[in-house]
Amino acid sequence: DIQMTQSPSSLSASVGDRVTITCQASQDISNYLNWYQQKPGKAPKLLIYDASNLETGVPSRFSGSGSGTDFTFTISSLQPEDIATYYCQQYDNLPQLTFGGGTKVEIK
Amino acid sequence: EVQLVESGGGLVQPGGSLRLSCAASGFTFSSYEMNWVRQAPGKGLEWVSYISSSGSTIYYADSVKGRFTISRDNAKNSLYLQMNSLRAEDTAVYYCAIYYYDRGSFDYWGQGTLVTVSS
Repeated sequence: DIQMTQSPSSLSASVGDRVTITCQASQDISNYLNWYQQKPGKAPKLLIYDASNLETGVPSRFSGSGSGTDFTFTISSLQPEDIATYYCQQYDNLPQLTFGGGTKVEIK
Repeated sequence: EVQLVESGGGLVQPGGSLRLSCAASGFTFSSYEMNWVRQAPGKGLEWVSYISSSGSTIYYADSVKGRFTISRDNAKNSLYLQMNSLRAEDTAVYYCAIYYYDRGSFDYWGQGTLVTVSS
């Protein structure tokens, strides 16, 4: 199975800060990577697909990049409503889909 | 509006069984691949099982293979997960989710149903 390692596991930043989360795959997954946001008590929500494509309706302050084994998710200007846990997910190794461990984002 | 509503969760003893349901509306259920994804309390997301739109192709995570059975009834717009030989480590919120094969993404999720395995 492909392992997805996210870092950091948690972070605290101020409103307006640039926030960056990384996700590393245990093997080359091309751009077969998605990013989700999960707010407390809610189901996850797709934000980014195919590593860098913004899902319809998602604010442009969210972005993704990378290919191969190293990927980055960025919030360009952190807003209070962005408090959530963020997960990466690979789909290169179908049907064994795997998620990263998550990154909890808090406001400082 | 796409809606997925899970039900059937609850408290069950180790070794017991439970059947989860997911009622779908707002889209052509028979055209979409579906999955179950779970999340243990305070933990991350874990893919559990996949079923194709027709039900002819099915996959399971190794952690549930041989114990869980996914199925669907397209006439009733419903997805199911039969869970047998339940273990404490199966305790989780179980989500049904629509899967978009071309981008490998879970695009819509239900609100989840909690399964607790405990004596």
